[in-house]
Amino acid sequence: SQKIEQNSEALNIQEGKTATLTCNYTNYSPAYLQWYRQDPGRGPVFLLLIRENEKEKRKERLKVTFDTTLKQSLFHITASQPADSATYLCALDLTGGSYIPTFGRGTSLIVHP
Amino acid sequence: DGGITQSPKYLFRKEGQNVTLSCEQNLNHDAMYWYRQDPGQGLRLIYYSQIVNDFQKGDIAEGYSVSREKKESFPLTVTSAQKNPTAFYLCASSNEHSNEQFFGPGTRLTVL
Repeated sequence: SQKIEQNSEALNIQEGKTATLTCNYTNYSPAYLQWYRQDPGRGPVFLLLIRENEKEKRKERLKVTFDTTLKQSLFHITASQPADSATYLCALDLTGGSYIPTFGRGTSLIVHP
Repeated sequence: DGGITQSPKYLFRKEGQNVTLSCEQNLNHDAMYWYRQDPGQGLRLIYYSQIVNDFQKGDIAEGYSVSREKKESFPLTVTSAQKNPTAFYLCASSNEHSNEQFFGPGTRLTVL
């Protein structure tokens, strides 16, 4: 069965360091992968989308990589700030190019001042 | 302001009662979605609609119903047949040219 794995343990880092979150998937070749940010009690907010033919995408302090051979995406936040503390969800197209992503459980990031 | 709204933010109901959650968007998006989120869980798709007067079941549609009479509105009814209705419900929308989903603020439903 298709599966999306994100680390269930919270990631704790010091302010100014680079945070790296992982999203692994199995049994499918998604056309795209997305990353969202979710704050407690609020709806997710879209951050970045990377397509299967792209290796890397950047937006300000954010960088996403997509390795279709390893079936893995890495999400990096450089120069992290306490305001970056949130849960980060990855979402994949598991239905062959549709616009309905399947979401992972998310990883909580805590940036300490 | 363009966006997607959900109301109410908190909702309490007695067991056995149906309840309807509102979702409205002014983004002119064709597609709308309903998700359920439980603590420590990912978002699970309940229903989605790609066009007015049409909708499809998602992964966990049992005990829920929807309607799509207007492009802007996609209300979700949680029926008494839903065995574990207490959860955080999220509505989202997207346009046909983008895979990006825009989410509402969510409704937290508690069934007593």
